[in-house]
Amino acid sequence: GAVVSQHPSRVICKSGTSVKIECRSLDFQATTMFWYRQFPKQSLMLMATSNEGSKATYEQGVEKDKFLINHASLTLSTLTVTSAHPEDSSFYICSARGYSGRGTDTQYFGPGTRLTVL
Amino acid sequence: QKEVEQDPGPLSVPEGAIVSLNCTYSNSAFQYFMWYRQYSRKGPELLMYTYSSGNKEDGRFTAQVDKSSKYISLFIRDSQPSDSATYLCAMSPPGTGANNLFFGTGTRLTVIP
Repeated sequence: GAVVSQHPSRVICKSGTSVKIECRSLDFQATTMFWYRQFPKQSLMLMATSNEGSKATYEQGVEKDKFLINHASLTLSTLTVTSAHPEDSSFYICSARGYSGRGTDTQYFGPGTRLTVL
Repeated sequence: QKEVEQDPGPLSVPEGAIVSLNCTYSNSAFQYFMWYRQYSRKGPELLMYTYSSGNKEDGRFTAQVDKSSKYISLFIRDSQPSDSATYLCAMSPPGTGANNLFFGTGTRLTVIP
């Protein structure tokens, strides 16, 4: 099946610093990638949708200047949390749209990145 | 009203039990229905994928879609402790495909040995 990796899996940083999270589709090309955040015991909240080579589309209430998304290639998207604050602490998950070996067109998720801002 | 409603649980069952997980939805345009399994501190993994109404079986898992009632289910037979996870339903309308998934809040399942 389709494999998506995320790096780092866990990051702890000081308030005011910037953190970059990478999302890679390992065995397929993803024209569209998605970034979600998830708070404990809550569902996924879509932050933005990014298409390769174009600007990301952000969901309402998500600050695009704070959460910078770059989708430089068909296999790599990055999310940079700029000037992170404790309230940005969350579980960030990326997904990539692709096809599984069974021909299923859906989103395949990375393992997530746990961000803790001190 | 949310687009997709899912009972968050938690749900605890003994090993070997049959588990029934459900979601209801309000948008009759939804055509694609998915179930994801998410282990603690991990990303969701696709478990089942169905199109329109009907049943789909994969090993111990059966997904059912009843579009007339706007109701989908996931059944787990002979549940195992390794099935303990949060199960998220997701669905999308035609046209936008996988670019527009609507998720339930997830049901946390614990299978007790």
